[in-house]
Amino acid sequence: NFMLTQPHSVSDSPGKTVTISCTRSSGSIASNSVHWYQQRPGSSPTTLIFENNRRPSGVPDRFSGSIDYSSNSASLTISGLKAEDEADYYCQSYDGSRVFGGGTKLTVL
Amino acid sequence: QVQLVESGGGVVRPGGSLRLSCSASGFIFSDYGIHWVRQAPGKGLQWVAFIRFDGHNRYFADSVRGRVTISRDNSKSTVYLQLNSVTAEDTAMYYCARDPSPNWGDYYFDYWGQGTLVTVSS
Repeated sequence: NFMLTQPHSVSDSPGKTVTISCTRSSGSIASNSVHWYQQRPGSSPTTLIFENNRRPSGVPDRFSGSIDYSSNSASLTISGLKAEDEADYYCQSYDGSRVFGGGTKLTVL
Repeated sequence: QVQLVESGGGVVRPGGSLRLSCSASGFIFSDYGIHWVRQAPGKGLQWVAFIRFDGHNRYFADSVRGRVTISRDNSKSTVYLQLNSVTAEDTAMYYCARDPSPNWGDYYFDYWGQGTLVTVSS
């Protein structure tokens, strides 16, 4: 089994670009897809990125996902930050079970 | 459009049981697997259970195995989660979520419900 580690919080100003990392504790990050969810305050999660870098219809291209094999991590990048992006973000993968990262709180200053 | 609506949450005493329901619409229910995911107050997401499209295979998180059952009635487009011998650690918002596949595997959650709150308290 492995764990997914995310930073507890990140913040930046409107219009900036922010990146949230998701580091896999053991095994290769490439072994299983990584998916990302957004959870705005008081709301249920929504799917933001699936299969590492694919966006569901309706998700703006300001959101992108990537894999960094050297750091064994996945990343969610949000460009052109907006106030509405303020939310919790979770990565998720699979180790025979569904595994979530601990979540990252994004604050738009 | 795809809709998942949970119900059945409430206050339950420690050691008690309750059954949650997830009613689906907007898609061919019998073609998809369904999950339950929970979130304790102020905490992160935790996967709980999964049932295959036909109900023949079920999977559970270690933390709930033996205390939780999951079932589905495809004629009613509904999935049920039964929680038994609950403790304070079961206090959480419970979400049902659709799997993009009918079967268990390396997939994700493509649609989520709005959740139903379970509070374990005496």
